[in-house]
Amino acid sequence: GAVVSQHPSRVICKSGTSVKIECRSLDFQATTMFWYRQFPKQSLMLMATSNEGSKATYEQGVEKDKFLINHASLTLSTLTVTSAHPEDSSFYICSAKTGGHEQYFGPGTRLTVT
Amino acid sequence: GEDVEQSLFLSVREGDSSVINCTYTDSSSTYLYWYKQEPGAGLQLLTYIFSNMDMKQDQRLTVLLNKKDKHLSLRIADTQTGDSAIYFCAESTRDSGTYKYIFGTGTRLKVLA
Repeated sequence: GAVVSQHPSRVICKSGTSVKIECRSLDFQATTMFWYRQFPKQSLMLMATSNEGSKATYEQGVEKDKFLINHASLTLSTLTVTSAHPEDSSFYICSAKTGGHEQYFGPGTRLTVT
Repeated sequence: GEDVEQSLFLSVREGDSSVINCTYTDSSSTYLYWYKQEPGAGLQLLTYIFSNMDMKQDQRLTVLLNKKDKHLSLRIADTQTGDSAIYFCAESTRDSGTYKYIFGTGTRLKVLA
């Protein structure tokens, strides 16, 4: 139980284009989903917290117009990187939780912007 | 602000015990966690401990919590090559019904055959 999937697992896009990453909770309803960014050999950096049906809360320094988050249902959240640039290349990980304290992580999406 | 720190590397021989350490600064932590991350993958929750506990054991894993010193450790008994990964400790605090999480810097464990 408590499986979270992400799609795609890897994506390469050209500079200036937008890319959407999906995060799904497969066997539970996620009231809250988190989006993290991880640079090579570094820890996770929380980008934003999204609750179903409401606007995402972004961490300081994260541009909400660049990283659009939509938590449309209790099992799906999407992160859209708009007008991507090479510096947006990173490993993006989502996690999901219900009302308890445990969060369950997706397998991550490797984004490369050329 | 709150901070969670870990040593960067640990190398052990197969069959030995591994001890990964973590220190944190927020004394209002509710839960403390250990996650494992293999290359190119997400984080797998290994175990967690409630802040009013001192110890938790789960098969080969033993978690020790010293709340006074704000020190958390993960002991892996009979370490295997499959245990090679990055291990993150994390803490959660609860504020107005919302959980907030802070992750450590990660410890890269290398198990030598």
